[in-house]
Amino acid sequence: DSGVTQTPKHLITATGQRVTLRCSPRSGDLSVYWYQQSLDQGLQFLIQYYNGEERAKGNILERFSAQQFPDLHSELNLSSLELGDSALYFCASSVATPGETQYFGPGTRLLVL
Amino acid sequence: AQSVTQPDIHITVSEGASLELRCNYSYGATPYLFWYVQSPGQGLQLLLKYFSGDTLVQGIKGFEAEFKRSQSSFNLRKPSVHWSDAAEYFCAVVIKAAGNKLTFGGGTRVLVKP
Repeated sequence: DSGVTQTPKHLITATGQRVTLRCSPRSGDLSVYWYQQSLDQGLQFLIQYYNGEERAKGNILERFSAQQFPDLHSELNLSSLELGDSALYFCASSVATPGETQYFGPGTRLLVL
Repeated sequence: AQSVTQPDIHITVSEGASLELRCNYSYGATPYLFWYVQSPGQGLQLLLKYFSGDTLVQGIKGFEAEFKRSQSSFNLRKPSVHWSDAAEYFCAVVIKAAGNKLTFGGGTRVLVKP
């Protein structure tokens, strides 16, 4: 158990819908990262938050957004969903110093029908 | 282009045999280097990491990795594989000047034969 929790574990929805994925980091970790794992794109970094502020952005679509709340949990919002958004979405957390180990949650598996 | 390459998509190894997974990176400077393992239906677990110093790094579950600057490689090894090592293995880097995001290779799926 990494100490990072993600909910829900599975999500099935339809195209055009909007979903919210939630992540609680390990106690004491200020940074949260979101990654997407899909068959065609592999594991890709989406976005990082540090202590409530956006720190870095990767290959995140404009239809996707995220935020980190004062209690340090984070949410990833996916809207206008398309079939191709079906993937495993991971959250990771770390202390924040570059190179520090990122601890991954179990992931949320999203299926868009 | 900057990248992390794992040349082997699948590797099949007999239980008790040795295992080596290859990883090459293409960056101007030496990045931080990591190996993660993903068991079926699970998240990613860190096996080991290299920042600097001794180029042979010991990790969990009996794994080790060797950093070779001249070859831009960070290969993962285990002397004797157990059936529980069947999983997907990912090499990843952090570019020091680009924050702390992980850039992953495509992964190598390891199958263990009895």
